[in-house]
Amino acid sequence: AQSVTQPDIHITVSEGASLELRCNYSYGATPYLFWYVQSPGQGLQLLLKYFSGDTLVQGIKGFEAEFKRSQSSFNLRKPSVHWSDAAEYFCAVGAGSGNTGKLIFGQGTTLQVKP
Amino acid sequence: ETGVTQSPTHLIKTRGQQVTLRCSSQSGHNTVSWYQQALGQGPQFIFQYYREEENGRGNFPPRFSGLQFPNYSSELNVNALELDDSALYLCASSTIRNEQFFGPGTRLTVL
Repeated sequence: AQSVTQPDIHITVSEGASLELRCNYSYGATPYLFWYVQSPGQGLQLLLKYFSGDTLVQGIKGFEAEFKRSQSSFNLRKPSVHWSDAAEYFCAVGAGSGNTGKLIFGQGTTLQVKP
Repeated sequence: ETGVTQSPTHLIKTRGQQVTLRCSSQSGHNTVSWYQQALGQGPQFIFQYYREEENGRGNFPPRFSGLQFPNYSSELNVNALELDDSALYLCASSTIRNEQFFGPGTRLTVL
């Protein structure tokens, strides 16, 4: 069955420290992968996406993610976290034949940033 | 270019009632997807509409229904509301082969 797992429910990092949020997926075909961010009471904003090609993808706000097929992972990274990065982060896989179709989301990781 | 908009922002209903939520898609997008996000959870796919036809459905009962209009805006209807229907309902628009852009959501509370 198609699924996304975000092993870390809650992460706390100090401002200026590096960040890595983990995401593992289960999907039979070549996945379309996404990271979204959600601030409290808000909708989802797309940070970055992987469809094909270069396995290291750059996104907005200084985020990047690396697709590793052998590990079924798509971890999100940022070299230096800012206080404004505190939010909920969701990894998602696009399930559909040749298009993004429905998105299957992980449970999310809450990021807290310490001053 | 306007983004995805949803109305209303908040809604309170009682068990057994019916509700209609609305979504206006982003300009140029012909596909609308609806998701339910319970508190502390990731969004769950309800269904998708492409050119006014249902194009996939998640594991939701038939009392969840939808429509897409010629201008690609959409409605989500939920009949016979249950307490567990309390959630944030998210609408996302896209072209069929591109990423989905989400609206701010409608917070539904069922008492």
